[in-house]
Amino acid sequence: EPEVTQTPSHQVTQMGQEVILRCVPISNHLYFYWYRQILGQKVEFLVSFYNNEISEKSEIFDDQFSVERPDGSNFTLKIRSTKLEDSAMYFCASSGEGDKPQHFGDGTRLSIL
Amino acid sequence: QKEVEQNSGPLSVPEGAIASLNCTYSDRGSQSFFWYRQYSGKSPELIMFIYSNGDKEDGRFTAQLNKASQYVSLLIRDSQPSDSATYLCALSTNTGNQFYFGTGTSLTVIP
Repeated sequence: EPEVTQTPSHQVTQMGQEVILRCVPISNHLYFYWYRQILGQKVEFLVSFYNNEISEKSEIFDDQFSVERPDGSNFTLKIRSTKLEDSAMYFCASSGEGDKPQHFGDGTRLSIL
Repeated sequence: QKEVEQNSGPLSVPEGAIASLNCTYSDRGSQSFFWYRQYSGKSPELIMFIYSNGDKEDGRFTAQLNKASQYVSLLIRDSQPSDSATYLCALSTNTGNQFYFGTGTSLTVIP
């Protein structure tokens, strides 16, 4: 069964550094999403992406964050100048249509030191 | 702000019993509703989705939606210890561009 894959599974970075989290969505999906989940808290929406542009973003997704689909398969989340509070699990998801079920990757655990 | 409310639990049921999980939401414009299961340290896994009022059954799982009362529920029949997890309610609005998640209900099935 097709799945969303994310790399790396765990990223440890010094505060102030930039990180790039990578995702390969399911191949025939057109809608892509990033979520984060701080330990013990709920899953929070960051951004949705369709047709090579951002469809919607939350208040969390400020200028520190950016997304890109550099080629036909990858979907990346870049966090510039990381902060301690960026430590969380980051999930990528994709769906075939906008309001259809989203399928999640296994996540990247980001630890900021 | 689109609120999705769930009782955090923990909810404990004996093996073989029916587990009932509930979710209420504030935005009447919500169109699509989803139940995800999340094991500790893992990603959300889709269990059910429902778009129309009424019941939808899939194996041991039944989702119930009542848009007038703004609630959606998940019933798990013949609960198994492997069902022990956190269950997340999620919804999307008519744009479908983002999901709003509840905080989840922790379910423990006691052997």
